[in-house]
Amino acid sequence: RKEVEQDPGPFNVPEGATVAFNCTYSNSASQSFFWYRQDCRKEPKLLMSVYSSGNEDGRFTAQLNRASQYISLLIRDSKLSDSATYLCVVTSEGGGADGLTFGKGTHLIIQP
Amino acid sequence: NAGVTQTPKFQVLKTGQSMTLQCAQDMNHEYMSWYRQDPGMGLRLIHYSVGAGITDQGEVPNGYNVSRSTTEDFPLRLLSAAPSQTSVYFCATGVGGGETQYFGPGTRLLVL
Repeated sequence: RKEVEQDPGPFNVPEGATVAFNCTYSNSASQSFFWYRQDCRKEPKLLMSVYSSGNEDGRFTAQLNRASQYISLLIRDSKLSDSATYLCVVTSEGGGADGLTFGKGTHLIIQP
Repeated sequence: NAGVTQTPKFQVLKTGQSMTLQCAQDMNHEYMSWYRQDPGMGLRLIHYSVGAGITDQGEVPNGYNVSRSTTEDFPLRLLSAAPSQTSVYFCATGVGGGETQYFGPGTRLLVL
């Protein structure tokens, strides 16, 4: 069974700090990688895709390490509104036709 | 442009009852899927469809049926509800399975 593992947290971080979390995946043939954000009692929403070369979107940076099979997310200058659960998501070697594999999520709490 | 809609938002069923969860999208996406989310389990794929007339099973299909007669609609049927089907159900759509998925707001189901 394909697995995506994340530290569930919670990560309690003061506002303005930098926080990073990783996820590991078991399927070495996985092709696409994403971070989704889920607010309490809401649907998941795409935060960013993760590319082999890494990518940055404002305060958020995602990295992929295929050799070690892990994905990371870095949040700089954290805001209260960053409090959420962050889901690591991986597709299969088939390109995702048979769906996405979700990690259980990392719960982040930004404290004032 | 409503995106992805799900009805109902909440439902209480008795064991053995049947019901249909509705999902509709106006994004002209070929790929649609159903996930369930349970505490401590993450999102798990129930069924998916790569286009009208085509459906396939995901990780946890038992007790559920789907059909895809149009591009827009992808209903999920519970044949005989069981307490183990108490969960939050999310419908998702995308251009393809490996692309960004857009989730509906979810249906919270309680089976007594």
